[in-house]
Amino acid sequence: AQSVTQLDSHVSVSEGTPVLLRCNYSSSYSPSLFWYVQHPNKGLQLLLKYTSAATLVKGINGFEAEFKKSETSFHLTKPSAHMSDAAEYFCVVSRSGGSYIPTFGRGTSLIVHP
Amino acid sequence: DTEVTQTPKHLVMGMTNKKSLKCEQHMGHRAMYWYKQKAKKPPELMFVYSYEKLSINESVPSRFSPECPNSSLLNLHLHALQPEDSALYLCASSPQGQGSSTDTQYFGPGTRLTVL
Repeated sequence: AQSVTQLDSHVSVSEGTPVLLRCNYSSSYSPSLFWYVQHPNKGLQLLLKYTSAATLVKGINGFEAEFKKSETSFHLTKPSAHMSDAAEYFCVVSRSGGSYIPTFGRGTSLIVHP
Repeated sequence: DTEVTQTPKHLVMGMTNKKSLKCEQHMGHRAMYWYKQKAKKPPELMFVYSYEKLSINESVPSRFSPECPNSSLLNLHLHALQPEDSALYLCASSPQGQGSSTDTQYFGPGTRLTVL
């Protein structure tokens, strides 16, 4: 079984300040982990993914995430928030080596204040 | 062409209507997916096609009927829907076919469905 927990339903930051979106996972197997972003009334876009290579993963638009097996975490960070980062963010886990049914977290809404 | 397209963008239908949603990709991807997304919720997987064959049906009611006519096209036929079926319907594709957990999914913009 696998599951993913996004610890915050909303995160509010000021423009230019760091962003931290938290994700913890549970998986009986080696997981693949993804962060997707969804702007209002749009589809989802991949930000970055971890697939058992480097534990620090760099993505698009200045985002990065670190896979920490000991903490079962895959938190998403960005040094400086931009107004255009305001969106819904989903952490997704899939099971390595098995049938690919992705499990989505509930989502974190990022609010960026000017 | 690196995108997934979906038509129509918006659809309003009555409970007795029959309509279809269309999804298309020309990236040579081997797996295609239908998701349903309610407001403020994550996408819920409905169906997965791998190599044009239905490989996963997540206990979706029969009023939703998927079809994969070829490797680039995915349809979702709708009949006798209920108001609670109103949602954003997302299509996605991935390169390697279902069974590869490292695959990235590429999502279309969705069809906003309203059932009256």
